[in-house]
Amino acid sequence: GAVVSQHPSRVICKSGTSVKIECRSLDFQATTMFWYRQFPKQSLMLMATSNEGSKATYEQGVEKDKFLINHASLTLSTLTVTSAHPEDSSFYICSASRTGQGEAFFGQGTRLTVV
Amino acid sequence: DAKTTQPNSMESNEEEPVHLPCNHSTISGTDYIHWYRQLPSQGPEYVIHGLTSNVNNRMASLAIAEDRKSSTLILHRATLRDAAVYYCILRDGVRRGGSARQLTFGSGTQLTVLP
Repeated sequence: GAVVSQHPSRVICKSGTSVKIECRSLDFQATTMFWYRQFPKQSLMLMATSNEGSKATYEQGVEKDKFLINHASLTLSTLTVTSAHPEDSSFYICSASRTGQGEAFFGQGTRLTVV
Repeated sequence: DAKTTQPNSMESNEEEPVHLPCNHSTISGTDYIHWYRQLPSQGPEYVIHGLTSNVNNRMASLAIAEDRKSSTLILHRATLRDAAVYYCILRDGVRRGGSARQLTFGSGTQLTVLP
């Protein structure tokens, strides 16, 4: 079946530094990918929609200059957390679907800890 | 997107069937009923989805009420590996331009499977 791979699965960084998370669709092309964030004991919250070849669409309250999204190819979207702060520590998850199909595929998630 | 209501938590004994309910009284005619589950520290995974008729796959069965205002996910024999948060999500089946749509996650049901 289709697989979405996310890397890294776990990262620890210092405050003020930037971290890049990659999301790849391994066996299908995804013109659209989604980035979610999940805090402990909470549900997934959509952060942004990543569109291949165009600008990402951000949800209300998500700073586009802080969470940079690049979707340069049909199989890769990246999320860069810039100038990370401890409050950015969270579980980041990407997803993608085959265009028009019902099932969404999720990456395994990235646990970000900012110290 | 129409809202769903699920119990916060449920318990089941291992190797017994589990019925996870979901209410969606404001469902529209084009909304598909999707179920995903999230194991600890992992991204969500697709379980099953349907529109009007009951659906079966290797993981579970989905029973949809005749008026579509509720549905039940059925795990026929719960195992310890089925312990997860189960999300019932409505997704509009009308595709705008063929693009994928994001999933809106509620709080889900935490299923505990007792040995």
